[in-house]
Amino acid sequence: SQTIHQWPATLVQPVGSPLSLECTVEGTSNPNLYWYRQAAGRGLQLLFYSVGIGQISSEVPQNLSASRPQDRQFILSSKKLLLSDSGFYLCAWREPHGGTDTQYFGPGTRLTVL
Amino acid sequence: LAKTTQPISMDSYEGQEVNITCSHNNIATNDYITWYQQFPSQGPRFIIQGYKTKVTNEVASLFIPADRKSSTLSLPRVSLSDTAVYYCLGEGSGNTGKLIFGQGTTLQVKP
Repeated sequence: SQTIHQWPATLVQPVGSPLSLECTVEGTSNPNLYWYRQAAGRGLQLLFYSVGIGQISSEVPQNLSASRPQDRQFILSSKKLLLSDSGFYLCAWREPHGGTDTQYFGPGTRLTVL
Repeated sequence: LAKTTQPISMDSYEGQEVNITCSHNNIATNDYITWYQQFPSQGPRFIIQGYKTKVTNEVASLFIPADRKSSTLSLPRVSLSDTAVYYCLGEGSGNTGKLIFGQGTTLQVKP
């Protein structure tokens, strides 16, 4: 069966520090991968998605970036965090085109920028 | 991607049936209607998906009228553990699979 992992689970970082969040998927090949952010009490905002290795699409201009160095690995990064980057970050995967449309979410990373 | 509209919040009591209606007037021909459930500090979890008429699984039922401009998620005999946020989305079968989440419906189940 497929599983999705995210780490770390929680993170407290000072303003201006770098960020690296990692997401890995097991049990599937060539998945579509997604990064979302959820502010407190709000819905999910799609940040990036990827349909293949090295292919990244950005949905919202910001100081975050994403990379997909391997088929089942998706990384969210920042060179300098802002206070507004605080939130709950979720990674999700979906079968590639032709599979089911449902997205499966990881456990999330709670990021607090102080 | 279909824009969806659903109530911000709903209250219910244990043992009652809860129906949450979602409007999606501009749903595309190839979009499925999908509902997710999210508990605090967890990622959303798929509940049910349908295209038209009625779909039922072990968790919920989904009713979609012929014009597909709305859908109703039905949760039978809710319990306290069903307190969560419920999102309605129109999912296309395109290559990107992008989803647009609204604010969802916060369901509060009371004892």
